[in-house]
Amino acid sequence: GQSLEQPSEVTAVEGAIVQINCTYQTSGFYGLSWYQQHDGGAPTFLSYNALDGLEETGRFSSFLSRSDSYGYLLLQELQMKDSASYFCAVRDNRGSQGNLIFGKGTKLSVKP
Amino acid sequence: DTAVSQTPKYLVTQMGNDKSIKCEQNLGHDTMYWYKQDSKKFLKIMFSYNNKELIINETVPNRFSPKSPDKAHLNLHINSLELGDSAVYFCASSTLTDTQYFGPGTRLTVL
Repeated sequence: GQSLEQPSEVTAVEGAIVQINCTYQTSGFYGLSWYQQHDGGAPTFLSYNALDGLEETGRFSSFLSRSDSYGYLLLQELQMKDSASYFCAVRDNRGSQGNLIFGKGTKLSVKP
Repeated sequence: DTAVSQTPKYLVTQMGNDKSIKCEQNLGHDTMYWYKQDSKKFLKIMFSYNNKELIINETVPNRFSPKSPDKAHLNLHINSLELGDSAVYFCASSTLTDTQYFGPGTRLTVL
C-alpha cells in the first residue's frame, strides 16, 4: 500500500525560508505532488515531481529523491498569506488513472 | 468561469435523512473524484470516475452512491445520514496528470 509522512506543524517568521519534508512508501511510484489548502478553502495544486531534482516555481520549489523515497517543499520569502496546510501526495497504482493518496498535511503558521 | 463547482456549499441536516451533493466541471476532464476531509483535515479518496464509469470505490459505506450522468458531472447521494458523516466533501477532476482541480467543498453537518 501507500503511506506518506510529513510533519504536522511548522512555524516560521515572515521573510524566512521553510522546508516541509515528505517521505513516502509506495508499491509503484508515479511522482510526488504538493497541494496547498487555506483554512476554509479547497486544496490547490502547487507542484509535481516525477524525476529527481528541484522544480522551481516563483517562491516555491519542490525537490524529489526517488532513491530515498523523499521529497520536500521549499517556501522562500515567506508571507503571511502562506499560512496554510500543505499536503504531499502520491498516485495510487490502481486503475488506469490512479488516485492521489494524500499525507496528513503540514500546518504552516507564518508569524510577523 | 468556475472550473469545478459544487452545490450546496453548506448542508445541515438531521440524522437519518437522505441528501445529495452536486458537482460539475467545465475543464473537459475525463476523470472526477469525491474526497472526504474530516475534522483533522485528513483528505481521503472515496470514489473516482473516468468517462462516467466507476474506477475506484474505496471502503465507503454503501449508503454513499455516486452518479455520473455525463463526464462533466459527478453527484454524490447519501442515504440514512449518520453523525460520523459530518465532514467537508470535495469534488475534483483531472486529466491524465497528477494535477487535480478541486471544487470549493460542501460542509455537511449531521445533527
